[in-house]
Amino acid sequence: AQTVTQSQPEMSVQEAETVTLSCTYDTSESDYYLFWYKQPPSRQMILVIRQEAYKQQNATENRFSVNFQKAAKSFSLKISDSQLGDAAMYFCAYRSGNAGGTSYGKLTFGQGTILTVHP
Amino acid sequence: ETGVTQSPTHLIKTRGQQVTLRCSSQSGHNTVSWYQQALGQGPQFIFQYYREEENGRGNFPPRFSGLQFPNYSSELNVNALELDDSALYLCASSPGLINEKLFFGSGTQLSVL
Repeated sequence: AQTVTQSQPEMSVQEAETVTLSCTYDTSESDYYLFWYKQPPSRQMILVIRQEAYKQQNATENRFSVNFQKAAKSFSLKISDSQLGDAAMYFCAYRSGNAGGTSYGKLTFGQGTILTVHP
Repeated sequence: ETGVTQSPTHLIKTRGQQVTLRCSSQSGHNTVSWYQQALGQGPQFIFQYYREEENGRGNFPPRFSGLQFPNYSSELNVNALELDDSALYLCASSPGLINEKLFFGSGTQLSVL
C-alpha cells in the first residue's frame, strides 16, 4: 500500500519570503501522480500543483514549484513571494497511474502542514 | 459552469442513527469519490463511483454505502453511526476515470453525539 508522510505539522513564513513544505511517499509502482492541495478555512480542497512521475522536469505554477526526487521518493513544495492568502493547510497526495488496479482513482493524502503567513 | 456542491453543510446525529449526505457533481463529470477527513488529519478514501457503479473502495466497513444517479449526482449513506464517524465528508468529481484532476466540494461536517 502507498503511504504519504508530511513531517512538518506546522510552518510559518514572512510575507514575500519563500517557504518549502516537505513530503515523502512510499510506493512500489513506477507510474503515478503526485499532488499538492491547499485547504483554506472554507474546507474546499484546491489543487495547487501536480506532477507526473514519468516526467523528470519539476512542475511549476506561477509562485508554486516542486522539487521531485523520484529515487528518494521526495516531493517538496516551494512557495515563493508568500502572500497572506497562501495561509492554509497543505496536503501532499499520491494517486496510482495503474488503470487496472482496484485503487485507481484513489488519492492517498499525507497528514497535512499548517502554513501561517506573517505580515 | 457550476462546481461541486454538497448538502447539508453541517449535520448533528446521535449514535446508532443513519445519515445520508448528498453531492452534486460538476457539470459533465461522470466520476465521483468520497473522502472522510477527521479533525487534524488528511482525507481518507471511502469509495469511488463511475457511471453509477462502485469502482474502488477504501478500508471502510459495509455500513458505509453509496449511490450514483444517472445525472451523476451521488449519495453517501452511513448506517449505525458511531462516535468515530464524526468528521468532514468530502465529495470530489472528475471528468472521467482516467482524468486525474479532481474537483472537491466544501464538505459536510458530521457530528455524532
